Amino acid sequence: GDSVTQMEGPVTLSEEAFLTINCTYTATGYPSLFWYVQYPGEGLQLLLKATKADDKGSNKGFEATYRKETTSFHLEKGSVQVSDSAVYFCALSVPGNTPLVFGKGTRLSVIA
Amino acid sequence: KAGVTQTPRYLIKTRGQQVTLSCSPISGHRSVSWYQQTPGQGLQFLFEYFSETQRNKGNFPGRFSGRQFSNSRSEMNVSTLELGDSALYLCASSARTSGRSNEQFFGPGTRLTVL
Repeated sequence: GDSVTQMEGPVTLSEEAFLTINCTYTATGYPSLFWYVQYPGEGLQLLLKATKADDKGSNKGFEATYRKETTSFHLEKGSVQVSDSAVYFCALSVPGNTPLVFGKGTRLSVIA
Repeated sequence: KAGVTQTPRYLIKTRGQQVTLSCSPISGHRSVSWYQQTPGQGLQFLFEYFSETQRNKGNFPGRFSGRQFSNSRSEMNVSTLELGDSALYLCASSARTSGRSNEQFFGPGTRLTVL
């Protein structure tokens, strides 16, 4: 079945450090890919998305590129801030099938 | 545009009881999905409703049920609560268009604790 694998956390970085959170997927169809973020005590917010190969999603300094050849969608940010501390979820959905399939989530802590 | 709202935000119940959670989607969205989030299992899909019909169902026992009303508001019900049902229940709405991007917008969740 469809699945998403994310790097295990927690990840602890100093402010202004470079962030990479790895995400790979397995899907029977041609999925759309998403990164969601969950701040403490809140629901999920869509951070960015990509719907076809080589698309780059970007938002708030975060980027991820849809790599069909490596079935990956790694999240990157050049300079993290304390306010980026949250749990990040990689997810996919296959066209014609609504449910999002999520990775386990990666907790990021950024220290000043 | 108001976001997805869920009520109540917190609930404490005891084993054997039943519970009903409510979700109001973004105005104009006709698809509502429910997810369960636990530390052990992560985010798991429960079911999706579109135009008052259940369109998809995850792998949960029959104690978990839902419905959708004509105004797209949705409720989910859990009967005969078990300790393992303690979780954050998230509702998501989407426009469910024919496009590729199935963008779902999540509510803040209902935190259910079963004692």
